Amino acid sequence: KNQVEQSPQSLIILEGKNCTLQCNYTVSPFSNLRWYKQDTGRGPVSLTIMTFSENTKSNGRYTATLDADTKQSSLHITASQLSDSASYICVPGAYNTDKLIFGTGTRLQVFP
Amino acid sequence: DVKVTQSSRYLVKRTGEKVFLECVQDMDHENMFWYRQDPGLGLRLIYFSYDVKMKEKGDIPEGYSVSREKKERFSLILESASTNQTSMYLCASSRSLGPYNEQFFGPGTRLTVL
Repeated sequence: KNQVEQSPQSLIILEGKNCTLQCNYTVSPFSNLRWYKQDTGRGPVSLTIMTFSENTKSNGRYTATLDADTKQSSLHITASQLSDSASYICVPGAYNTDKLIFGTGTRLQVFP
Repeated sequence: DVKVTQSSRYLVKRTGEKVFLECVQDMDHENMFWYRQDPGLGLRLIYFSYDVKMKEKGDIPEGYSVSREKKERFSLILESASTNQTSMYLCASSRSLGPYNEQFFGPGTRLTVL
């Protein structure tokens, strides 16, 4: 069964600090992995997408890593800003389905 | 930029009412999706459509129906709203299907059923 687990569920950090969010997935046959950012009360917005052969992908201060062997991904946020306060959702994709599998997200709060 | 719009940001309805949620995309995308999002749960797919007048059930279609009469518009219908359908509803569109389909989301409609 396809599953996604994200940790931590929630995280509080101070502005300017770095943080790393984790994602473990069980998806077969694995194809790619996305990270979405969702502001409160808004729809998700794509941050990065990595195919199974990629190890890392950056988008500004956001860097995603992927280890397809251990079925783990992480999202690293550098020099956090107040606007980074949001939920971050890990979304692995499988070859044999048109449906995406959404994690429950990590809720990040950045305080001044 | 892809733009996906939803007809209402907030909606309050009574049990038993028929509810229409509208979604419009302006990028000529073939595929459109309806999800619901509840606290502690990931987005769950209700229905999707890969062409005009075509539809496929998602993971939780019970209590819902959809309509796609035009390529840019995808409607979600709650035939008889119930309190357990109180949720955030998100519409998305994509150019392609398959594992690489990049989905673009609307802002969401928060529906409360009293």
